[in-house]
Amino acid sequence: SQQGEEDPQALSIQEGENATMNCSYKTSINNLQWYRQNSGRGLVHLILIRSNEREKHSGRLRVTLDTSKKSSSLLITASRAADTASYFCATDGGSGTYKYIFGTGTRLKVLA
Amino acid sequence: GAGVSQSPSNKVTEKGKDVELRCDPISGHTALYWYRQSLGQGLEFLIYFQGNSAPDKSGLPSDRFSAERTGGSVSTLTIQRTQQEDSAVYLCASSGTGGLATSYEQYFGPGTRLTVT
Repeated sequence: SQQGEEDPQALSIQEGENATMNCSYKTSINNLQWYRQNSGRGLVHLILIRSNEREKHSGRLRVTLDTSKKSSSLLITASRAADTASYFCATDGGSGTYKYIFGTGTRLKVLA
Repeated sequence: GAGVSQSPSNKVTEKGKDVELRCDPISGHTALYWYRQSLGQGLEFLIYFQGNSAPDKSGLPSDRFSAERTGGSVSTLTIQRTQQEDSAVYLCASSGTGGLATSYEQYFGPGTRLTVT
């Protein structure tokens, strides 16, 4: 089974609203990454958070990590139609390798 | 600089035929990954190469799948005796060495859409 599982599976919001999606994982990690995939640009890296970090910001993105609950959340503030995409979390195995397992993704639709 | 490239972009093959998919990673990246993505699904890890280390093949679904990385650069994913369930988009990604946060970032190619008829 996938290391990471995102929820919700799908999310539809109005432009300007905030979008929150969550990722749960099973084993210890060194870091967790979030990626975005849309038809125009393929898969693109958004942000990486290390296991010793609790929160990280990048522009309109805010990522939190709770290693005790083995979960992470991605918040997109003031959403735009261009944010419409699928969002995936990816976790390493915590063993010092570079193998990443991707979650099942959240499909976000931002309505103009 | 150039990103990750993959070829062909689309491949239609008959069941039972062998196919080869190619990935050219970003120059200097030591790590190379292959993933498979079925329609509307997440990414399924297939195989991972890191420098001169033995590849992590733990995601390959069967012995019909194999991959090579020549000279630490170009990689070829080979599927023998293709089956209809092999139809998917095959994605390649590369990344640099560890030590810096940005080095873990994976750069993805556009993918090869494989259709087995």
